[in-house]
Amino acid sequence: EPEVTQTPSHQVTQMGQEVILRCVPISNHLYFYWYRQILGQKVEFLVSFYNNEISEKSEIFDDQFSVERPDGSNFTLKIRSTKLEDSAMYFCASIKLEGETQYFGPGTRLLVL
Amino acid sequence: DAKTTQPNSMESNEEEPVHLPCNHSTISGTDYIHWYRQLPSQGPEYVIHGLTSNVNNRMASLAIAEDRKSSTLILHRATLRDAAVYYCILRDPRGNQFYFGTGTSLTVIP
Repeated sequence: EPEVTQTPSHQVTQMGQEVILRCVPISNHLYFYWYRQILGQKVEFLVSFYNNEISEKSEIFDDQFSVERPDGSNFTLKIRSTKLEDSAMYFCASIKLEGETQYFGPGTRLLVL
Repeated sequence: DAKTTQPNSMESNEEEPVHLPCNHSTISGTDYIHWYRQLPSQGPEYVIHGLTSNVNNRMASLAIAEDRKSSTLILHRATLRDAAVYYCILRDPRGNQFYFGTGTSLTVIP
């Protein structure tokens, strides 16, 4: 069964450093999402992406964040200058068509020191 | 984003049915009711979804109240592998992102 994959599974970085989290959505999917989950808290929507542009973003997704689909398979989340409070699990999700159920990746655990 | 209310936690004995309730009194006519679950250290996983009629799949059943203000996820025979946080989410078909609540943490007792 096709699945969403994410790399790395764990990332440790120093405050102020840039990080890029990578996702490979399911191959024929067209809509892509990033969510985050701070330890012990609920899953929070960050951004949705379709047709090479952001379709919606939450308040969390400020200027420090950016997303890109650099080629036909990868979907990346960049955090320009990480803060301690960016420490969280980051999940990528994708769907083929609007309105369908979302498939989530296993997540990247980001720790900012 | 439409709100849902779920109990924080529930327990079930292994091999017994589990009924996980969800209240969504502010649901609109076009909101779909989705259930996802999150096993420890994993991403959310789709369980089931419906609009008005009850739904069954290989994982679970979804019972939707006639007025759609509440729904119940039914696991017919709980296994240890079903221990997870279960999220009831309302999704407006005009938007694709999900707004998760705090969910119900299900403990399955052997």
